[in-house]
Amino acid sequence: DTEVTQTPKHLVMGMTNKKSLKCEQHMGHRAMYWYKQKAKKPPELMFVYSYEKLSINESVPSRFSPECPNSSLLNLHLHALQPEDSALYLCASSPGQGVYEQYFGPGTRLTVT
Amino acid sequence: QKEVEQNSGPLSVPEGAIASLNCTYSDRGSQSFFWYRQYSGKSPELIMFIYSNGDKEDGRFTAQLNKASQYVSLLIRDSQPSDSATYLCAVNPGGYQKVTFGTGTKLQVIP
Repeated sequence: DTEVTQTPKHLVMGMTNKKSLKCEQHMGHRAMYWYKQKAKKPPELMFVYSYEKLSINESVPSRFSPECPNSSLLNLHLHALQPEDSALYLCASSPGQGVYEQYFGPGTRLTVT
Repeated sequence: QKEVEQNSGPLSVPEGAIASLNCTYSDRGSQSFFWYRQYSGKSPELIMFIYSNGDKEDGRFTAQLNKASQYVSLLIRDSQPSDSATYLCAVNPGGYQKVTFGTGTKLQVIP
């Protein structure tokens, strides 16, 4: 089973709202990722968790706050977003331990109004 | 700067033909290479990965890696209209838990 799930599928939020995106995988993978993707652009890495510890933060603004409660779950907390943050947010996982192929979830389409 | 380059296309091929997608990378130390297919409005789907020089085949797909020339390619045999998508090349530089994506090549298979 190479499935990564994400909720919600779509999210509309105002600039003063607080919301969270959720990601789950049950493949026993030890690395999980958040990406942001704008139309006609490749995915842009935001965060990497390896063995439940934040290992890479690609200088993402603090209005995005990641959390990894356990090895299967990854959250992205959103606060005071800007309209330019509207995008497809993708979660991915990979086995870790030198194995880097990443499996993506279906994504959350975020619109900030 | 470490880069992964792809021709943005669109690459148009007739149904039943071989589609050839190419990718070059600048980091000579790169160790693992991936091809993703992304339909419009959907998330990327991993279709091939290759770690060693040479060819790797999976069904209608063949990935080819030439580390000396720093390119990786994807061949799609017997192309179908359902193969029409954007194909993203991704490269892992080695030792890091991240990949660098190319900008993608849009493939159109004409019935």
